[in-house]
Amino acid sequence: AQTVTQSQPEMSVQEAETVTLSCTYDTSESDYYLFWYKQPPSRQMILVIRQEAYKQQNATENRFSVNFQKAAKSFSLKISDSQLGDAAMYFCAYKKDGSARQLTFGSGTQLTVLP
Amino acid sequence: EAGVAQSPRYKIIEKRQSVAFWCNPISGHATLYWYQQILGQGPKLLIQFQNNGVVDDSQLPKDRFSAERLKGVDSTLKIQPAKLEDSAVYLCASSFGVRPNQPQHFGDGTRLSIL
Repeated sequence: AQTVTQSQPEMSVQEAETVTLSCTYDTSESDYYLFWYKQPPSRQMILVIRQEAYKQQNATENRFSVNFQKAAKSFSLKISDSQLGDAAMYFCAYKKDGSARQLTFGSGTQLTVLP
Repeated sequence: EAGVAQSPRYKIIEKRQSVAFWCNPISGHATLYWYQQILGQGPKLLIQFQNNGVVDDSQLPKDRFSAERLKGVDSTLKIQPAKLEDSAVYLCASSFGVRPNQPQHFGDGTRLSIL
């Protein structure tokens, strides 16, 4: 079974600085997708970024980028120029390619942005 | 487009009582998911529907939880009887399909407290 581990329960960053959230996963599959979701206090999960395992190039979405290390099974999220609105719970998630099955989530990292 | 609608937003009941949650997915979304999110943890899938058929209910405690998706649109999740460990946020999500490039859209969830 696939597992997703987020070893940082809490992180903080100064506004306008850069922060990196860590995620590791365990799978025997070669084709899969990885995601970062953001969950603000409103509780709605919002997709931040997606990475296809077959792509070597790291995904980027504006101030959000990932460092995908397939051999190490590592998938970290970097937030540049942090803003107060980035404060939220961040979840790393895994999905096997070609499967109708859903996402497997990590336990989350609570990010605080300090003014 | 309108998002995933869930109700109620909050519910407080005593143990051994019954409770039901309602979800209206985004129009045209064939796949619907119910997740349970216990405080401090990532969401865990309870059941996944494709139209009105069940794709995965392997983590649904079937002795007390039930779910249905009427006519492949709205869905209800019921707990009867509730236990203290059922205190959690129940998230509904929908997607157009099950491919990774068809992201899940989440509702705001229902926070359930069991006294």
